[in-house]
Amino acid sequence: DSGVTQTPKHLITATGQRVTLRCSPRSGDLSVYWYQQSLDQGLQFLIQYYNGEERAKGNILERFSAQQFPDLHSELNLSSLELGDSALYFCASSPWRGEQFFGPGTRLTVL
Amino acid sequence: AQRVTQPEKLLSVFKGAPVELKCNYSYSGSPELFWYVQYSRQRLQLLLRHISRESIKGFTADLNKGETSFHLKKPFAQEEDSAMYYCALRNQAGTALIFGKGTTLSVSS
Repeated sequence: DSGVTQTPKHLITATGQRVTLRCSPRSGDLSVYWYQQSLDQGLQFLIQYYNGEERAKGNILERFSAQQFPDLHSELNLSSLELGDSALYFCASSPWRGEQFFGPGTRLTVL
Repeated sequence: AQRVTQPEKLLSVFKGAPVELKCNYSYSGSPELFWYVQYSRQRLQLLLRHISRESIKGFTADLNKGETSFHLKKPFAQEEDSAMYYCALRNQAGTALIFGKGTTLSVSS
């Protein structure tokens, strides 16, 4: 499968902890986007990277950070986790402004 | 402000009935609009984009700038159309997508 991949599929952790979500874009895509999907807020854009550089920021909390590595995979770091951070986190990739292809998501549960 | 509104959380129809999923947007300038679909336990997939004006799986959507709408339509719903549908707008910077809260379409026989 040469599509967007995300690991892990599920993550269960406790409040106050820190987790790292990983995303591998489609082959050839330089842009990676992170979105958060929750029941009350819907699907919200968090942050975008293009070829290793941060390009756009959305509703991303200061406790969250991301980076894109030279091999173009990206990681989203969530720290000091709160119950309200429980959500599905999607990664998407695209060529610069093309169609965004979404990964299967990581379901984060904070207990 | 850039915003996408999908007023219906849930739309239930019978198989063979027409479907219209509503989407309204707020945007300065020429918007770039999309419909994404998420079937149960699957990833989001692009269904339509307004610039291509194509019909996918029998769905069409027309951009109405006067009414700032981009409603998704299908003349005859099928059970396999049951899914969550998201309307999205590319943001002013041309980078990310702004999504509506989604409408769950339920088609029953």
